Amino acid sequence: DAKTTQPNSMESNEEEPVHLPCNHSTISGTDYIHWYRQLPSQGPEYVIHGLTSNVNNRMASLAIAEDRKSSTLILHRATLRDAAVYYCILRDWGYQKVTFGTGTKLQVIP
Amino acid sequence: NAGVTQTPKFRVLKTGQSMTLLCAQDMNHEYMYWYRQDPGMGLRLIHYSVGEGTTAKGEVPDGYNVSRLKKQNFLLGLESAAPSQTSVYFCASSYSDPRAGVNTEAFFGQGTRLTVV
Repeated sequence: DAKTTQPNSMESNEEEPVHLPCNHSTISGTDYIHWYRQLPSQGPEYVIHGLTSNVNNRMASLAIAEDRKSSTLILHRATLRDAAVYYCILRDWGYQKVTFGTGTKLQVIP
Repeated sequence: NAGVTQTPKFRVLKTGQSMTLLCAQDMNHEYMYWYRQDPGMGLRLIHYSVGEGTTAKGEVPDGYNVSRLKKQNFLLGLESAAPSQTSVYFCASSYSDPRAGVNTEAFFGQGTRLTVV
C-alpha cells in the first residue's frame, strides 16, 4: 500500500491560514488523496479529496503537487474549532482497505 | 438526518464475555466499515462490506466477526472479549461513484468506547 508521511503536530494562530503538508512519494496513478479530520472524542469527518487538480470546498483547499508526490491541505482562516487531528489518506479507485496513519495534531492558538 | 448511528456508546465487558456492536446508516450506502482506534493511534480497519450479504477482512480482523444481513446494518461481534480489545470502535459508510469508484466521502459514527476488564 502507498503510504503517507505527515508531521506529528503543528500550531497556528487563530484567523491565520494553515498549510498542512503530506508526503506520498510512492503514490500510484490511480490513487486519490483524501483528507479527514478528527475532533476530540468524535468520529473522523471528511474534509476534501482530489486526484490531480487542486480542489476547493467550503471547508478547505487541497493543493496537489504536479508530480503528485506531495499535497497540502489549506485552511484559509483557522478557528478554535479547527483544532483536530488531520489525516492524509491515499485511496485507489476500487480498493476498499483504507489505512489511516497517525495524522497531524493541529493546535490553534487564540 | 441520522447518518451513521452506533449502539451502544459505552460498554464494559469482562474477559470472555461476548457482545455485538450495531451500526446503522440511513443513506442507502453500499459500503460499510468497522475500525478500531487505540489511544494515540490512527484508525485500523477491522472488517468491511461492499454490499448486503458480503463481508471481508481488514487489517486487524482476528477476534472479531461481522454480518451484513440488511443493507443499512453492519454488526460487529466479539465472541470472547480480551483486554487487548479495549478500544474505541468506529463504524463508517460510503457510496460508490461511477467516475471515482470508492473515492467518495465516508461518514463516520460517533464511536463506541469498549473496555474489557
